[in-house]
This record gives sequence, C-alpha cells and structure tokens, in this order.
Amino acid sequence: AQSVTQLGSHVSVSEGALVLLRCNYSSSVPPYLFWYVQYPNQGLQLLLKYTTGATLVKGINGFEAEFKKSETSFHLTKPSAHMSDAAEYFCAVRLSNFGNEKLTFGTGTRLTIIP
Amino acid sequence: GAGVSQTPSNKVTEKGKYVELRCDPISGHTALYWYRQSLGQGPEFLIYFQGTGAADDSGLPNDRFFAVRPEGSVSTLKIQRTERGDSAVYLCASSPKGDNTEAFFGQGTRLTVV
Repeated sequence: AQSVTQLGSHVSVSEGALVLLRCNYSSSVPPYLFWYVQYPNQGLQLLLKYTTGATLVKGINGFEAEFKKSETSFHLTKPSAHMSDAAEYFCAVRLSNFGNEKLTFGTGTRLTIIP
Repeated sequence: GAGVSQTPSNKVTEKGKYVELRCDPISGHTALYWYRQSLGQGPEFLIYFQGTGAADDSGLPNDRFFAVRPEGSVSTLKIQRTERGDSAVYLCASSPKGDNTEAFFGQGTRLTVV
C-alpha cells in the first residue's frame, strides 16, 4: 500500500524567493516518486520523477526534488520563483514492484507568487 | 494527435442518466489510465488498461462504473445511473509501456450531475 501527504494546501512566496513544497510518502516497497503541475484548465504535466539512482532529481522549469529515504520525503524546490510558477502541484507515489501501475496522488498544493 | 485527447471537455447530465466519456491516447501508447479528481482533491485511480484488457480495475467505486478499450487504443468510461457524487473531473492518461514512469495526461472531462 502507498500514500502521500502534502503539507500545506496553499503556499505563497514572493517573486524571486525560494519555493519549497513538501511531500511525505509511505510505501510498502521502494517507491517511485513524481511531481506533477497543473495549470488552470490544463492537464497534469510531469515536472520530475525519481525511480532509481541519483536521489537529487532535476526537472523542467528549474525545479528539483530530493528523495530522502530516512525521512520518507520528496520535497520540491526552486531557488527563485517566477510569476509563471503559479499553479497547483501534486506529489505522487507508485510502488516499484512489477505490475503495479497505480499512481497515488496527494491532495495538492496551490502555489501563489506575490509580485 | 500530439497529446491525450478527452471528449467532451464538459458534460452536464441529470441524476440517473447514463454517460460515456471518451479518451484518445497518444498513438502507440499501450497503457491507458483513468483517474477521477474531485474538487480540492488529488486524482484518484480508477482503472488501468494494458492493451485491450483491464489490468487493474481496483479503483472503480462500484458496479455503475465500467470502462472498455476494445481495440487497444480509444477507451470509453461508462457511468450508469449517475449520482450527484459522481460530479468530478475525469482524467485519462497514457504511457508508451506499462511501467507508468512517463504517463501523459489529457485535460480531462468535467462531469456535473444535476
């Protein structure tokens, strides 16, 4: 079984400030972890993913996330926020065992950028 | 097409009616997924197809929900005797193979049951 907790349903940061969106997971086997972004009236777009290998993963638009097994976390960061980053962000987990295709999503974090 | 296409984009139906939601995956993608996103929530898994067969339908909430993919491409999600609680955005995704590491989502169908 797997689950995801996203701390903070709404996060506001000033333009140019650090973005930190928190995600903690639980998983019965080693997880695959994902961050998706959803802009208004658009579909989910994959930002980045961790499957195996390097625990610090870089994604599109300057975002990155670090898999920390000891903390069961996969927090999303960006050094300097842009106005265009305003959107809803979803963390998701999937079990890595063969045949398990189900993504389990968190409830999302709405990111607002203050000019 | 370039991406996953879902039709209609919006559907309003009366309680008790039957609805069909269509998903056209990216050409060549063998895996197809349906999710449901209620207001203020993250997407919830409904069903996963690998080719024509439903490999995992554990997320379907009850027997009013059914999905098919007869030729391994287009999929239809069918909801019988709709209820107000079925109102949500229904998302479809596809991936080129069954490992789900690169799932591409459509824009969804917003279903409103009145």
